[in-house]
Order: sequence, then C-alpha cells, then structure tokens
Amino acid sequence: GDSVTQMQGQVTLSEDDFLFINCTYSTTWYPTLFWYVQYPGEGPQLLLKVTTANNKGISRGFEATYDKRTTSFHLQKASVQESDSAVYYCVLGDETQVVGQLTFGSGTRLQVYA
Amino acid sequence: ETAVFQTPNYHVTQVGNEVSFNCKQTLGHDTMYWYKQDSKKLLKIMFSYNNKQLIVNETVPRRFSPQSSDKAHLNLRIKSVEPEDSAVYLCASSSRLGEDTQYFGPGTRLLVL
Repeated sequence: GDSVTQMQGQVTLSEDDFLFINCTYSTTWYPTLFWYVQYPGEGPQLLLKVTTANNKGISRGFEATYDKRTTSFHLQKASVQESDSAVYYCVLGDETQVVGQLTFGSGTRLQVYA
Repeated sequence: ETAVFQTPNYHVTQVGNEVSFNCKQTLGHDTMYWYKQDSKKLLKIMFSYNNKQLIVNETVPRRFSPQSSDKAHLNLRIKSVEPEDSAVYLCASSSRLGEDTQYFGPGTRLLVL
C-alpha cells in the first residue's frame, strides 16, 4: 500500500536558518504530493501541492520538488521565521485509495527560536 | 478564513459515556471526512462520506459512527467511550470524492477519564 516516510520527528532552528525536511514516499501510482502545516490549536492546512513529476511547488517561501526518480518530496525554505514553528506533514494523494485518498506522514515538528 | 467548523473545542467525559461531535462546512463541498490525531500527532482517516455513501476505515471500532443530515454536516458519535479514544478528532472536506485537496476544521479534543 501507499506510505510516506518522514524521518525527522523534530527540527530546531534559529531565525534565518535554512530549513530542510526530508520526505520519501512509496506508491504504485502517480500520486499528487502535498505539504500540510498545522499550527498549534488549529487543523492542518494546505501549504503546497504538486501534481506532476519534476515540478516544483512554491508557497510562502517554502518549496518542494516532486522527484519521481528518488520518490522524494523534500520541503525547503531559505530563511525560517519564528512564525514558521508548526508541525509539517508530507502527504500523498491517491484517488485509488478506498478511504480518504490522503496518506499522511508522521509529521515533523519545527521549532524556530528568535 | 475558517470554513470548516467543529464543536465543541474540548470535551472531558468518563469511560462508558456517549459523546457526539459536530462538524459543518460552508465550502459547498460534496465529501467530508473524520480523522483521529493521537498524542504523537499521527493522523489516521476514520471515515469518508459522499452523497450518502459512507466509507469506513476497517480499523475503526464499531462504537464510532458518523451521522449526516445533509452534505454540509457530518457529526461523529462515540457510543461508550474508552480511554484510548482520548485524541483530537479532525473533520475535513473536499469538493468531491477523489479530489485530493482537503480542508480541515480546528479539531475537537476529547479526554476520557
């Protein structure tokens, strides 16, 4: 079945540091890939979405490239701010799934200190 | 801007009680979902509901049941709660079944004593 792996449970950075969050996926289909972000006390919200291999998604300074060869969809940001502190989920969208169509990774908690 | 609303924000109850959580979406979407988020922030799909078609994740205990009056509402009822039901329950919607972008509510946190 489909799966998403985020190896980093927590990332701690200072403001203006470079952010890199690892994500790899496994599926037999051609999925849509997402990053969702969840701020404290809120539900997850869409950060960016990419539907085509080798394309890049960009939003609010974050970017991720859909790499079909390495089955990766890493999230990057050149310079983080304290307000970016949140949990980031790498998500695989697959219309062939019976329930829900989204497979969430385990999440990476980002803590940014001023 | 919030478009998926959940009530209550927080609920404390005792083992064996029945609880019900409400969810309403104002996006005009056809499909709604319930997820469970545990203390480690892991998200698991419980149900999806579209045009009176309910799809259940087979791992969900039978004491959980979704209830819908129309396509804008999908409530979650838990008969006889257990301690392991303590979690955040998140409601979401999408424009149609198979449309993969989902919009989430703020969640209802359940604590079972």
